[in-house]
Amino acid sequence: DADVTQTPRNRITKTGKRIMLECSQTKGHDRMYWYRQDPGLGLRLIYYSFDVKDINKGEISDGYSVSRQAQAKFSLSLESAIPNQTALYFCATSGQASNQPQHFGDGTRLSIL
Amino acid sequence: GQQLNQSPQSMFIQEGEDVSMNCTSSSIFNTWLWYKQDPGEGPVLLIALYKAGELTSNGRLTAQFGITRKDSFLNISASIPSDVGIYFCAGQYSGGGKLIFGQGTELSVKP
Repeated sequence: DADVTQTPRNRITKTGKRIMLECSQTKGHDRMYWYRQDPGLGLRLIYYSFDVKDINKGEISDGYSVSRQAQAKFSLSLESAIPNQTALYFCATSGQASNQPQHFGDGTRLSIL
Repeated sequence: GQQLNQSPQSMFIQEGEDVSMNCTSSSIFNTWLWYKQDPGEGPVLLIALYKAGELTSNGRLTAQFGITRKDSFLNISASIPSDVGIYFCAGQYSGGGKLIFGQGTELSVKP
């Protein structure tokens, strides 16, 4: 979905490095999410935000942090990357109403050596 | 953390065949969603279901929200090569927000 843009699309880095993944959206949605995808495990929620400055932990938040400084932007950071954080990362957005479906970006493939 | 049980994990079918996949959960959901993921892309919403018993179609795709609110199925009729991809179910609790995803069903279609 071109309305949800993730950067970078691919990143290879070393253990111990700090990494930031960016997500921006032009859909005007209040709610934003970060998921991680691993083979055979589907997508698992890392963090989510229902509004600017609102931050909530998801299922697997350990080792990650996020920042929501503007409605259109939600960034995910790995403070000290480790190899088992190698995965495909997706950002998603949704409207405020409880029945609004989530729309996903095209993902960031992150490899940690 | 909780996950949905999605089956089958993979399917290899002949073009023209019908496909069925399902998800079950120990929890009750308010909303069931079905997404498709193509290689190198993010999941794209196929069908959203909001009421127990609801049956909704989108072209050759049909999905149902189970009466118990703990399960859902997706059928694809007369499959074509572009149906290839990974299909995910996702459940959402009342109040909206975060989704719980199934493990995915990888579909391969032989021409």
